[in-house]
Amino acid sequence: GAGVSQSPSNKVTEKGKDVELRCDPISGHTALYWYRQSLGQGLEFLIYFQGNSAPDKSGLPSDRFSAERTGGSVSTLTIQRTQQEDSAVYLCASSSGGKETQYFGPGTRLLVL
Amino acid sequence: GESVGLHLPTLSVQEGDNSIINCAYSNSASDYFIWYKQESGKGPQFIIDIRSNMDKRQGQRVTVLLNKTVKHLSLQIAATQPGDSAVYFCAENPNDSSYKLIFGSGTRLLVRP
Repeated sequence: GAGVSQSPSNKVTEKGKDVELRCDPISGHTALYWYRQSLGQGLEFLIYFQGNSAPDKSGLPSDRFSAERTGGSVSTLTIQRTQQEDSAVYLCASSSGGKETQYFGPGTRLLVL
Repeated sequence: GESVGLHLPTLSVQEGDNSIINCAYSNSASDYFIWYKQESGKGPQFIIDIRSNMDKRQGQRVTVLLNKTVKHLSLQIAATQPGDSAVYFCAENPNDSSYKLIFGSGTRLLVRP
């Protein structure tokens, strides 16, 4: 079956512009996660959605970052007024519920010039 | 803060030998651990997981060992193959209300032909 998909695969933007990254989770998965991976580093948690519960936003690095999940499926991560330090791979994962295996998408590689 | 770390940043093994990748975790309350494999340009791929009520779990050519006494996790790969070359991450779930994963910085496994 289809795995987690993300778009775009690559995004180059200028400093100060806004970007939107999209994640399509595995069908039927109620939990969705966003992580960020800087060059040569491990993954850093950003935000977690579970069903209709309030999301856990504790990992968002600043108020320029926001995310939403519409209809309990597709999620969009928005970064406003991008900065060069936002350059990273943004990874989305989904799972069938809390503390179940998280399956990752291929990521969106963001480069802020 | 709590963290998950790895002892060896790079491990080089001969094809056919067994590989052991180690990981230390610091949160004694963590009750779920996962190993991921990440190839260049791809998202993390699930390998194997283990819950804290177990000390060993086996998969196909892989074994995960959990020592809660010393807060240590290891991944053993039997008969290592060139296709095993990748970066391996351990991750823990700290057993709080969020199901986020905390990742280590990764170990690069290089398989010599």
